[in-house]
Amino acid sequence: QVQLVQSGAEVKKPGASVKVSCKTSGYTFTGYYMHWVRQAPGQGLEWMGWINPNSGVTNFAQKFQGRVAMTRDTSFSTAYMELYSLISDDTAVYYCARANILGAFDIWGQGTTVTVSS
Amino acid sequence: DIQMTQSPSSLSASVGDRVTITCRASQSISDYLNWYQQKPGKAPKLLIYGASSLQSGVPSRFSGSGSGADFTLTISSLQPEDFATYYCQQSYSSPRTFGPGTKVDIK
Repeated sequence: QVQLVQSGAEVKKPGASVKVSCKTSGYTFTGYYMHWVRQAPGQGLEWMGWINPNSGVTNFAQKFQGRVAMTRDTSFSTAYMELYSLISDDTAVYYCARANILGAFDIWGQGTTVTVSS
Repeated sequence: DIQMTQSPSSLSASVGDRVTITCRASQSISDYLNWYQQKPGKAPKLLIYGASSLQSGVPSRFSGSGSGADFTLTISSLQPEDFATYYCQQSYSSPRTFGPGTKVDIK
């Protein structure tokens, strides 16, 4: 079946960076855009950006421009999101989500908790 | 950026009730509107895409309507497993904004 499996929880110090992976299975990796969404504790959903796994082209929310990278490894059908210069407000659960043809996020990863604390 | 609002922010309802949640976009988004359900500690789950198309495997008591800037999610007969937070999201343009959510809890 279609699955997105994310890497495990991370604890980072302010100023560090974190890289979260999203391993896909059960479908053609290069056929669907991958988005990243985060959710701070007790808060709503915040869209971060997308990557076209076929071309590697990315698009980010302005809030994260210059501080985020989204990459992929087609050999391993895996997408990555790296966030730099972490601050305490980056403490959140980070999700990868596959987009269907209308842009709806039909398959989600289980989430990766990133805690930023000194 | 397109802003998404939802009302109400929370509601209390009983099993069997008909529940309606509204979502409004700050500009027309055609029918590029999606609805998600999220339970505590879980990833969101897609319920409705394209404003009114039911995602595979989602019970038929969920329905969506609307186009342009005003949309509605309806649960025809609330079930115990439906107590959750519901988010709308536009996929018309980037950034792909979400509404603030509507929490449905037990009366």
